[in-house]
Amino acid sequence: EVQLVESGGGLVQPGGSLRLSCEVSGFKFSNYEMHWVRQAPGKGLQLISYISKSGATIYYADSVKGRFTISRDNAHNSLYLQMNSLRAEDTALYFCARPLWFGGAAGHWGQGTLVTVSS
Amino acid sequence: DIQMTQSPSTLSASVRDRVSITCRTSQNISRWLAWYQQRPGKAPSLLIYEASTLQSGVPSRFSGSGSGTEFTLTISSLQPDDFATYFCQQYNTYVWTFGQGTKVEIK
Repeated sequence: EVQLVESGGGLVQPGGSLRLSCEVSGFKFSNYEMHWVRQAPGKGLQLISYISKSGATIYYADSVKGRFTISRDNAHNSLYLQMNSLRAEDTALYFCARPLWFGGAAGHWGQGTLVTVSS
Repeated sequence: DIQMTQSPSTLSASVRDRVSITCRTSQNISRWLAWYQQRPGKAPSLLIYEASTLQSGVPSRFSGSGSGTEFTLTISSLQPDDFATYFCQQYNTYVWTFGQGTKVEIK
């Protein structure tokens, strides 16, 4: 069974940092590109970052570029999101997501980890 | 980035009603469109991909249609479990974009 489990969220002050993790199981992690998607309270879904299977191709939404860093450890079946210089508008539920297959729709999601940026 | 326009934002309906949600994209994405159902505080759940292919385990009352820039999700007979929020998503490239969402409420 495919499983994705996020962790690392919490309450942080503006300007602070957090590192989110997404541990996966039930499939060969190195065969899949991965995405981080967030959802602010009462809002829609926003792709914030993407990483290819090898890590050679990376994408960031403009709203997080220069502040967030995506990475992966294929040996440890884990995806990461380092978040620096956090702002109130980064408050959201953060999901990692895996496509059904290369280039496919998001067939598998974690349960999400909540990040709250507030003083 | 490809822009998504989803309508309506809210839909009030009764059990056994037939309802439809529309999604338009700012450029031609062929059939690379998916529909998701989401409940509060939970992850989205994939209903339909490639515009009209039902994900395994999804009831047949859900159907999708369209190609190019205009797409529709239809629920043929609304059931109590279907009151939720629905999102469309394009995956023409790895830069996914999502519609704004449609909340299906009980009339």
